[in-house]
Amino acid sequence: GESVGLHLPTLSVQEGDNSIINCAYSNSASDYFIWYKQESGKGPQFIIDIRSNMDKRQGQRVTVLLNKTVKHLSLQIAATQPGDSAVYFCAEIYRDDKIIFGKGTRLHILP
Amino acid sequence: DAGVTQSPTHLIKTRGQQVTLRCSPKSGHDTVSWYQQALGQGPQFIFQYYEEEERQRGNFPDRFSGHQFPNYSSELNVNALLLGDSALYLCASSLGQGMTYEQYFGPGTRLTVT
Repeated sequence: GESVGLHLPTLSVQEGDNSIINCAYSNSASDYFIWYKQESGKGPQFIIDIRSNMDKRQGQRVTVLLNKTVKHLSLQIAATQPGDSAVYFCAEIYRDDKIIFGKGTRLHILP
Repeated sequence: DAGVTQSPTHLIKTRGQQVTLRCSPKSGHDTVSWYQQALGQGPQFIFQYYEEEERQRGNFPDRFSGHQFPNYSSELNVNALLLGDSALYLCASSLGQGMTYEQYFGPGTRLTVT
């Protein structure tokens, strides 16, 4: 179906290590993708976005990779910190401007 | 610079009742979108308001309606509440119509229907 999904519901990472959060999408017509971070008791917060004409985009400590061949999106967080603990959502936007969020991955930081 | 604010924080209603949720956008933003987030799920798009009109709508029944005021604030109304309407309702504001403008989310209103 036309949905955005995530491979793992929970990811545990040692503090200081790199985190990789994955997302599979099924709609080849989607042309814009966004990663959001949602901390407990708060609304989602924009992290980084990428358009379908790109395969990589970097921000501060974060990198998003887009593989259109296998319809896969990933978020890499470098040197994971306790403040990175949250639920991470990917979202895809279709060409008719519809947005669909994935179910989310909880990132748990181990001390 | 005030961010997106929503009221109330929590709300408990009975099946069949009606509810109104309120949202004030981030200063300078003119577009408001509403989302429903069930526990353990990602947000689901309800609708978007720009220039006081509903511009886009997700797969939600007509029981869900909204309004945008001249000061860009917005209300979400839900009639004939069902148990399944229990969720966190999120408001997001942006500068510009459409989904490709960066959206800033409020903390949400937790609605419980009993």
